[in-house]
Amino acid sequence: AQSVAQPEDQVNVAEGNPLTVKCTYSVSGNPYLFWYVQYPNRGLQFLLKYITGDNLVKGSYGFEAEFNKSQTSFHLKKPSALVSDSALYFCAVRVTVNMLTFGGGTRLMVKP
Amino acid sequence: SQTIHQWPATLVQPVGSPLSLECTVEGTSNPNLYWYRQAAGRGLQLLFYSVGIGQISSEVPQNLSASRPQDRQFILSSKKLLLSDSGFYLCAWGGGRGSGEAFFGQGTRLTVV
Repeated sequence: AQSVAQPEDQVNVAEGNPLTVKCTYSVSGNPYLFWYVQYPNRGLQFLLKYITGDNLVKGSYGFEAEFNKSQTSFHLKKPSALVSDSALYFCAVRVTVNMLTFGGGTRLMVKP
Repeated sequence: SQTIHQWPATLVQPVGSPLSLECTVEGTSNPNLYWYRQAAGRGLQLLFYSVGIGQISSEVPQNLSASRPQDRQFILSSKKLLLSDSGFYLCAWGGGRGSGEAFFGQGTRLTVV
């Protein structure tokens, strides 16, 4: 079955430091992978996606994600974290043409 | 551009009362529409999705139902709410054509008391 896993419930990082939020996937065939961010009491906002092509995908708010086929990973990264990046982050994979499945979410805390 | 509207933002309802949450999409036609529930601020559970008017797929058995009376309108309902129905409900559109990403509404915080 198609699935994604986010192994960390929470990631803590100091402002200005690089951040990584991890995601691994299990799919048959070529994966369509996505990252979303959720601020408190708000809907999910689409950040970026990987469909094909370059393994490094750039998205909104300075975020990027690296697709690694051999490690079946799609980690979210940012070179310099901001306090305002503190939020809940979700990785997702397309399981059918009509449906995504989401990871359990990782809470990112950026401290000043 | 496409926009999605979901209301109300917050709702407090007594146990046993009915529920109706509405979601509408603008700027696109024949979208796939989804209802998710998020409990305790974490994982998302897909409740229903629809690929067209009157076409509803239910992902989990529950006290809820969904309807799609118009192309860009998706309604989540219950005849009698349970305490366990409390949560954050999210409507989304997308999927299908293209790469499949979904775009979410702002959510409804439902508290059943």
